[in-house]
Amino acid sequence: SAVISQKPSRDICQRGTSLTIQCQVDSQVTMMFWYRQQPGQSLTLIATANQGSEATYESGFVIDKFPISRPNLTFSTLTVSNMSPEDSSIYLCSATDRGRNTEAFFGQGTRLTVV
Amino acid sequence: KNQVEQSPQSLIILEGKNCTLQCNYTVSPFSNLRWYKQDTGRGPVSLTIMTFSENTKSNGRYTATLDADTKQSSLHITASQLSDSASYICVVSPQWEYGNKLVFGAGTILRVKS
Repeated sequence: SAVISQKPSRDICQRGTSLTIQCQVDSQVTMMFWYRQQPGQSLTLIATANQGSEATYESGFVIDKFPISRPNLTFSTLTVSNMSPEDSSIYLCSATDRGRNTEAFFGQGTRLTVV
Repeated sequence: KNQVEQSPQSLIILEGKNCTLQCNYTVSPFSNLRWYKQDTGRGPVSLTIMTFSENTKSNGRYTATLDADTKQSSLHITASQLSDSASYICVVSPQWEYGNKLVFGAGTILRVKS
């Protein structure tokens, strides 16, 4: 199993500012993902963080708004840029190894409130 | 569109009682179906993973079943405890998504009271 440390666990930010969320895995993993979870709703995939190259974004999410870095196989960051109250949500990091039936592990999430 | 629908949306039971949560999905073909437990303020934690050829899988007091013909799954919790209070999320992995993309249900919020 993999243990994922995600920080900060929560933050309250002013609109127009940016927040960078960090995700550290205790072992090397093939794939890392970033999700957003609105209260009472499903997890929505923002992007796949690719090691050493640009992230792959899902429909509705763009690099300028959610820049992602993944410098190595154990670490990734997600930045929420130019925040508005609509960005208030829980952001989750996930890690897994390649393979259809492999386990997916999640960080504890970052609860973001934009005021 | 791939969908994972869960019911009920929320549930309250007394400690010690059993309960069953339902999941209907339209994802097809799929590689596996997973159940996760998400405590408030925490990330999801895996309970079970079943491939399309498996019918049931247990993890302690949690037993998941899968009927690939009707595209239904259930999670049965036996002898519930206060610590079982959480959101339970059904997740399906599409077969063509070798990149491990997952389709999440909205979850069932379970509250166990004494």
